[in-house]
Amino acid sequence: EAGVAQSPRYKIIEKRQSVAFWCNPISGHATLYWYQQILGQGPKLLIQFQNNGVVDDSQLPKDRFSAERLKGVDSTLKIQPAKLEDSAVYLCASSPETQTYEQYFGPGTRLTVT
Amino acid sequence: AQSVTQLDSQVPVFEEAPVELRCNYSSSVSVYLFWYVQYPNQGLQLLLKYLSGSTLVKGINGFEAEFNKSQTSFHLRKPSVHISDTAEYFCAALGGGSYIPTFGRGTSLIVHP
Repeated sequence: EAGVAQSPRYKIIEKRQSVAFWCNPISGHATLYWYQQILGQGPKLLIQFQNNGVVDDSQLPKDRFSAERLKGVDSTLKIQPAKLEDSAVYLCASSPETQTYEQYFGPGTRLTVT
Repeated sequence: AQSVTQLDSQVPVFEEAPVELRCNYSSSVSVYLFWYVQYPNQGLQLLLKYLSGSTLVKGINGFEAEFNKSQTSFHLRKPSVHISDTAEYFCAALGGGSYIPTFGRGTSLIVHP
């Protein structure tokens, strides 16, 4: 089966610009996660979706970050406006409904804010 | 909230030697534990998981881990490492009153020939 797809793989923007990342989970996976991984740290959960509803977004900086999963399949994460400290790898993961603790990760999008 | 500590940021080891990567978590209440591996420029891949049952868990690529409730530890071991095991390893936990997955900072395993 195809894995979790993410695009773009790399993005360089200037501070105060906007950026969007796209994720397509494994077919049939109900749960979708967005993580932020800063260099030298472990992934930090930003938002978790179950189908098209938000399960948890307590660690999402809502003044600048937004995410949606309108049809319960693919998802978009947006940053507007970006800050230097947003430089990180943004990982998307998905889980099947019957094994909700087993996450399958995409390759990530490396964002550099200059 | 659950917290995960990986005390070793880097573990250098020679090929074919045994290795142990340490992980401690904060709460044993209904905790689920995981080890992931991340190769350069790739996403994370699940090595093994503990949900319940036997405290010794076997995973892919010859890795195993032991759940120790009294010491709140979940150390990862491999009896003989290969050059291809060079990667970043992350311990993660779920539970302890929270269902937000929490990851440790990672341990870089460096296998020398």
